[in-house]
Amino acid sequence: QSALTQPASVSGSPGQSITISCTGTSSDVGAYDYVSWYQHSAGKAPKLIIYDVNKRPSGVSSRFSGSKSGNTASLSISGLQAEDEADYYCSSYTSTDTGVFGGGTKLTVL
Amino acid sequence: EVQLVESGGDLVQPGGSLRLSCAASGFTFRHYAMHWVRQAPGKGLEYVSTISTDGDRTDYANSVKGRFTVSRDNSKNTLYLQMGSLRPEDMAVYYCARDASGSCYLDFWGQGTLVTVSS
Repeated sequence: QSALTQPASVSGSPGQSITISCTGTSSDVGAYDYVSWYQHSAGKAPKLIIYDVNKRPSGVSSRFSGSKSGNTASLSISGLQAEDEADYYCSSYTSTDTGVFGGGTKLTVL
Repeated sequence: EVQLVESGGDLVQPGGSLRLSCAASGFTFRHYAMHWVRQAPGKGLEYVSTISTDGDRTDYANSVKGRFTVSRDNSKNTLYLQMGSLRPEDMAVYYCARDASGSCYLDFWGQGTLVTVSS
């Protein structure tokens, strides 16, 4: 299973909005509404921030939102804050009953 | 409170073996599929292995198939990863994670355990 495609890096200033794309295929992202997103900072456990394309777990800020169109999913973060600086990974359920991650995107808050 | 605590990471020579454990608490362990995910230095997250609730179904990344074995003991609330024929490219932080729904969204993760493969 090939990794999903994410941009290596994105950046934004505090208060701005950014979007991270995650492109898969018709066997994963395009086939199921089972896309999830994780925030990962060095030395910490990854944290689930979006599941089932656009649902937020309890306690996750409403500044985080998810969407999907065709084979591409997206994570949007509004009102950027310094604490949002981290690596972000998408993941999708696949037709082989497994999961696949994206390569990860480093978010820099300028 | 849900907790996942990995242990067993160590320095091992190429070709060696290691067993990782993940102790679960704060939830009904036997109700959830579990995953091992790793992150090699400077790399992204990678699914390593998955095991169903009762252990009768397992899955592995192609990179570890035939060398790693995942298992679980629901009576001890513990997940295991037996790693053999270790290679330098297996060096990584290994995380265990709970699959919330069977559709591969991982709602709780451990802090990870470091496996170093070097002579």
